Formats: sequence, structure tokens, C-alpha cells
Amino acid sequence: DMKVTQMPRYLIKRMGENVLLECGQDMSHETMYWYRQDPGLGLQLIYISYDVDSNSEGDIPKGYRVSRKKREHFSLILDSAKTNQTSVYFCASRDRGYEQYFGPGTRLTVL
Amino acid sequence: AQKVTQTQTSISVMEKTTVTMDCVYETQDSSYFLFWYKQTASGEIVFLIRQDSYKKENATVGHYSLNFQKPKSSIGLIITATQIEDSAVYFCAMREDLSGSFNKLTFGAGTRLAVCP
Repeated sequence: DMKVTQMPRYLIKRMGENVLLECGQDMSHETMYWYRQDPGLGLQLIYISYDVDSNSEGDIPKGYRVSRKKREHFSLILDSAKTNQTSVYFCASRDRGYEQYFGPGTRLTVL
Repeated sequence: AQKVTQTQTSISVMEKTTVTMDCVYETQDSSYFLFWYKQTASGEIVFLIRQDSYKKENATVGHYSLNFQKPKSSIGLIITATQIEDSAVYFCAMREDLSGSFNKLTFGAGTRLAVCP
């Protein structure tokens, strides 16, 4: 059963703290994504990773960075989190086909 | 730049009826792919159905079908015989077939569907 996992599912941080969101997939998919979802805005692409150490900015990369050292893991890092980064973050992966498979999401609150 | 627009913020229908959700898109590419995803109340996002731009036949999967009107840049999602569990937020998305864009999906803002008993 194809699966994308995300940890943690819920996170509360104070402004200025560092944040690490983890994503894993067990399908050996090459391409992985990080999105954020805000009310009324749908899903906005933050970063794409084409494989290990091959990452590309999405539409809203400012304030974020990513790391992919193993094909099955893709991390999103917020250095010195800001209150406007409060959101729900989704990770996704895609095989050589067309569909993206999404993780369950991480709800991040920055106080 | 590609853009996807869903003008219906929310729709409410009675159970067992048919509902259509609208989506229009903008692209400069002659080859592209259109998708519909469903987000349940728990937050889970699930792929539903895809339409390839070069195909004239409307895609159908189970009780989901598409109304693809290429001249109008429109891809409507039709759900027949709606069930309570179809209540969710539905997202339209597009991916162009351009080099550098092949991996990128652009999403609409979503339409919230409520199916009432």
C-alpha cells in the first residue's frame, strides 16, 4: 500500500524558533514536493525535489529550505519561524506516472 | 504562467442528485494535464480523476466524470448519485507539459461540497 508519512502532525513554535518538518515515502518515488495550504488559497508549492540533493524552488520558497539526503526522506526547514508561516504543510510524492500522493499534513502554529 | 480558477466557493446538494463543479484554467502550452483531488474532513487529499489535453473523450472513474471543454479552457467535475461521504473540498489542478514545468501542479482554491440527507 503506497504511503506518504509526515511528522509531526501538529506543532506549536514561537516566533524565531527553528522548525523541522519530516516527510517519508515507501514507494521509491524520485520526485517529492512540499506545499502549504491556507484558507481560500488552495495548495501552494514551496519546493520540489527531483531526487537526492536535487531540489528546486517552487512558487513560494522564501523563508524555507529543504533537504533530501535519501530518496525516501524529504525535510522542510524553517530557520527562525515567522507568524505568517502558520499553516498546514503537505508533502507529496510522484512516481513516473501522473498522480501525486499526499501525506496527511502537518499543522504548524507559530506564536 | 499557468493559472487555475474555481469560482464556486461552496455548493450544497441533496443526496443522490448530480452535481457539477466548475474549473477554468490558463496555459500557453498545447499539451497539459488536468486533475481533480478531494480533501476530506480529516484533511486527507486523494487523487480522483485526470484528463489529458490531447484526449477528446471525457474521463470517467466510478461516479466521477469530467466535462472537458478545451475551447473554453474548462474542466468540470461531475459527481452522479452523490452520497453523504462525497462531502469534501474538491481541488482542480493543472500540469503543463513544458520542460521545467512537467513536475509542477498548480491548484485552484477549491470548492466545498456539502451533500445533505
